[in-house]
Amino acid sequence: GQSLEQPSEVTAVEGAIVQINCTYQTSGFYGLSWYQQHDGGAPTFLSYNALDGLEETGRFSSFLSRSDSYGYLLLQELQMKDSASYFCAHNYGQNFVFGPGTRLSVLP
Amino acid sequence: DSGVTQTPKHLITATGQRVTLRCSPRSGDLSVYWYQQSLDQGLQFLIHYYNGEERAKGNILERFSAQQFPDLHSELNLSSLELGDSALYFCASSVDEAPTFYGYTFGSGTRLTVV
Repeated sequence: GQSLEQPSEVTAVEGAIVQINCTYQTSGFYGLSWYQQHDGGAPTFLSYNALDGLEETGRFSSFLSRSDSYGYLLLQELQMKDSASYFCAHNYGQNFVFGPGTRLSVLP
Repeated sequence: DSGVTQTPKHLITATGQRVTLRCSPRSGDLSVYWYQQSLDQGLQFLIHYYNGEERAKGNILERFSAQQFPDLHSELNLSSLELGDSALYFCASSVDEAPTFYGYTFGSGTRLTVV
């Protein structure tokens, strides 16, 4: 089967750096993605890692280690607007399977 | 505006009823995916269409069905509704048959409340 695990909640202060981890088990793997979802809103695509290593997009970076079945999302210079849920997702065939989500709370 | 349009935004209906949710994908996208998100739950994959053909099914109940029309819009039909069907239903689209570097673009969702 396919499953992903993430911490349910993470709390950090404004300006800090936070890392959200994701481990996965899958019979087939093509890539790991990250999505952000504010309360009541639509998920928005943040990043996609097909290969091992770090992908950087502004304040957000995403890392993948296929040998460890592990990835993380790194958020730097946290802002209040970063308070949201973050989902990792991996390709399974022709669709994404999403993790349970990590709720990030950014405190002033 | 993501370019993916879902209607209606909110729907309140009684148990046992049938509803239809509609999705228009972003211009140029051929794939449409439907996901269900219950309160405090993750995104559960329901079904995927590509250029009018069903490509994959997830944990979609037999009471639910979907189709993608020649103009590429899609409809998700939910029948014999139960209280547990209350959820946010998201449609997402992508240009390719399988999502890759560009991921999905999600619509704003339809919030279904069954009373």
